Amino acid sequence: ETAVFQTPNYHVTQVGNEVSFNCKQTLGHDTMYWYKQDSKKLLKIMFSYNNKQLIVNETVPRRFSPQSSDKAHLNLRIKSVEPEDSAVYLCASSLDRANTGQLYFGEGSKLTVL
Amino acid sequence: GDSVTQKQGQVTLSEDDFLFINCTYSTTTYPTLLWYVQYLGQGPQLLLKVTTANNKGISRGFEATYDKGTTSFHLQKASVQESDSAVYFCALVRAGNTGKLIFGLGTTLQVQP
Repeated sequence: ETAVFQTPNYHVTQVGNEVSFNCKQTLGHDTMYWYKQDSKKLLKIMFSYNNKQLIVNETVPRRFSPQSSDKAHLNLRIKSVEPEDSAVYLCASSLDRANTGQLYFGEGSKLTVL
Repeated sequence: GDSVTQKQGQVTLSEDDFLFINCTYSTTTYPTLLWYVQYLGQGPQLLLKVTTANNKGISRGFEATYDKGTTSFHLQKASVQESDSAVYFCALVRAGNTGKLIFGLGTTLQVQP
């Protein structure tokens, strides 16, 4: 049963354009994440929010900016996309920031940059 | 820094074969160890986790033992089915580390009928 919803599922765009991905979780969790999964399936955390507060900000280009309006929503904006941004962006949530490892992932948003 | 190593990029088996996926980890503290599974077109989902050294996690016929001595957390299943075809990720999380999971590179399992 899906409880982390991502839109859009696919997006194709050209270099230099702006892209936004939206994520909503209906689990009542306090913490949400954005992970990037590249073409080799490597999963790397980008950002983490706890109750709308940024708690993890990995080394990510400045063109990436997360936005959280409330603890159930976490969006990701990419200003001026580059070819290396082509990947699947996975949103996830966990009960709280302590997180014993139980993450609930969405189905992903696949970005293709031409 | 923390790291997780999965040496096998791809494993191909036939139905009813025994599955073994290698996983070793490196960290300075006592982590929680996990296996996630990702089916085609879906996000990863937790398969099993173990928080205490020397304990075993079991789920859906899969099992893994947290071996602090060899810093390993290998995944096993006695008899695989075609529906087990997926990518398997070993991961660790350190307590209090803002919940950041460190994933291995993943092992793609293909089970032939």
